[in-house]
Amino acid sequence: QKEVEQNSGPLSVPEGAIASLNCTYSDRGSQSFFWYRQYSGKSPELIMFIYSNGDKEDGRFTAQLNKASQYVSLLIRDSQPSDSATYLCAVNRFRNQGGKLIFGQGTELSVKP
Amino acid sequence: DGGITQSPKYLFRKEGQNVTLSCEQNLNHDAMYWYRQDPGQGLRLIYYSQIVNDFQKGDIAEGYSVSREKKESFPLTVTSAQKNPTAFYLCASSQTSKGSNEQFFGPGTRLTVL
Repeated sequence: QKEVEQNSGPLSVPEGAIASLNCTYSDRGSQSFFWYRQYSGKSPELIMFIYSNGDKEDGRFTAQLNKASQYVSLLIRDSQPSDSATYLCAVNRFRNQGGKLIFGQGTELSVKP
Repeated sequence: DGGITQSPKYLFRKEGQNVTLSCEQNLNHDAMYWYRQDPGQGLRLIYYSQIVNDFQKGDIAEGYSVSREKKESFPLTVTSAQKNPTAFYLCASSQTSKGSNEQFFGPGTRLTVL
């Protein structure tokens, strides 16, 4: 079992719809959770991080964390063609020690006009 | 402008050659990281350093070496012992005292073995 798993996609949604990206992790000791967006040929850019159960909203993005079920998700409301990218989920076990991040393989999102 | 720079953007290596990838940050971050990304894959950690003059192996350190002589610099050497070095190499940094360990990435170096 991989430590961090994501569906590779592609996930295709129409413009204006809600895109839902999911990530599961295997280590119950995981503390912090990150979503990165990576455009083709570019480096990842941080969208959001979350470390408490529940929802965290930032503009059109909402991160959801459920530690009991060991999953974290990213919702993108009012999806735009510019949101088309690969979304990487990353998990950090050591919140206060600068521990290494474990990345999933990424989910490719395609938003159709 | 604060940020992370990597050079060169593209690098071509002949078999048997060592090459060094540069990574510099002016964010005053304590920790720095090197990742490798292969097509259609996530990122895999090569080496990381949380403080000057100290570094630890990541998941795929074989065939690579690093140094951390200055806080702002963390160069990666890809040695001839790395059998399949063609990949996209990403450097990142984070402020460990902040607790959340948000890592920020440089633009990357694309290495190709000829």
